[in-house]
Amino acid sequence: EAGVAQSPRYKIIEKRQSVAFWCNPISGHATLYWYQQILGQGPKLLIQFQNNGVVDDSQLPKDRFSAERLKGVDSTLKIQPAKLEDSAVYLCASSLDARVPTDTQYFGPGTRLTVL
Amino acid sequence: GENVGLHLPTLSVQEGDNSIINCAYSNSASDYFIWYKQESGKGPQFIIDIRSNMDKRQGQRVTVLLNKTVKHLSLQIAATQPGDSAVYFCAENLQPNDYKLSFGAGTTVTVRA
Repeated sequence: EAGVAQSPRYKIIEKRQSVAFWCNPISGHATLYWYQQILGQGPKLLIQFQNNGVVDDSQLPKDRFSAERLKGVDSTLKIQPAKLEDSAVYLCASSLDARVPTDTQYFGPGTRLTVL
Repeated sequence: GENVGLHLPTLSVQEGDNSIINCAYSNSASDYFIWYKQESGKGPQFIIDIRSNMDKRQGQRVTVLLNKTVKHLSLQIAATQPGDSAVYFCAENLQPNDYKLSFGAGTTVTVRA
């Protein structure tokens, strides 16, 4: 079974520029998550989708971050404009269905963003 | 991540020995706990999980113990191998029956040959 795919794997931009990340979840997974992982820390949830609807975006800095999952499969996360403190690894995870008990999240390899 | 912490940020283990990685949590309402392994340059990989109605759960070479009285979670790895070198994260759900996770800061395990 193919895992969660993410691209690009690495991105270097200057502050105030825009950047977008792409995620393709495991086939058939209804729930998709975006996490931010700052160096030396655990992942922090940014947004959760159930199919093409947002379940939780309370931790997403909406003044600069946006995410969508228009057809309930692939998702994109955008940062505009980027700040130095946005340097981190952005992880995408998917699960079969977060409404099912003990639903397991599977993570992609992440996109490492460096903002100069 | 504020609800979940680890006792030690690093752990050095001799190959073949058993490893014990500890994790403390503060949210009494959490009823689902999970351990992930993250190797350099990769995303977290599921190891094992446990629900709050259990005290112990075993997998292949791994055991998770849950002590709800003192809000403590541990991961035991038997016969540690070089491939076990990684950062290990414990995570808990934020609310009962809710599978959004809060992660701790992680423990870096280094296996000595």
